Amino acid sequence: QSALTQPASVSGSPGQSITISCTGTSSDIGTYNLVSWYQHHPGKAPKLIIYEVTKRPSGVSDHFSGSKSGNTASLTISGLQTEDEANYYCCSYAGSNIVIFGGGTKLTVL
Amino acid sequence: QLQLQESGPGLVKPSETLSLTCAVSGGSISNYRYYWGWIRQPPGKGLEWIATIYYSGSTHSNPSLKSRVTMSVDTSKNQFSLKLSSVTAADTAVYSCARLFGESWAFDIWGQGTMVTVSS
Repeated sequence: QSALTQPASVSGSPGQSITISCTGTSSDIGTYNLVSWYQHHPGKAPKLIIYEVTKRPSGVSDHFSGSKSGNTASLTISGLQTEDEANYYCCSYAGSNIVIFGGGTKLTVL
Repeated sequence: QLQLQESGPGLVKPSETLSLTCAVSGGSISNYRYYWGWIRQPPGKGLEWIATIYYSGSTHSNPSLKSRVTMSVDTSKNQFSLKLSSVTAADTAVYSCARLFGESWAFDIWGQGTMVTVSS
């Protein structure tokens, strides 16, 4: 399995909304509603922010939202805040107890 | 609150075996709802799933690493371990252990990670 495809970088201004895409195949994202998203500030542990495509863990801000269409999942961050500047990774179940991560997207808040 | 803590050598010689342990505190590793996994991040690169293990000992690995990966679990010590054999410089990375919620296949709790450098 190849890594899921994410844009290397995105940027936005405080208060704006941005969307990060995550493209897989019919063997992973296209088949399973088991996509998760992680926020990773360098030097810290990654944090789960979205699971099962659209669900947020308790305590995660509702300005994070997830969606999926076909083989592509998306993470939308609305009302950008400076503390949202981080790396974001998608992850999908790919069958046979295998998971695949995306290459990661660096979000810059201008 | 459940916590995970990685431990192991920070420097491994090429061709040798990398060995890491993840200690689980604040909860039982034998909880049937969860798997336990290892993920790594090479410098300047993204996350890569290595393998996961269930408390029963059932293991699943990244196909690209499968031939070199061994995972084990010690329920009496509430910890699990990773061995990666025949390492090269390409295995230099931050290695993190994490809990995987089986119903969602999401890693919901992570350790802080430990840097492992492969060098002579």
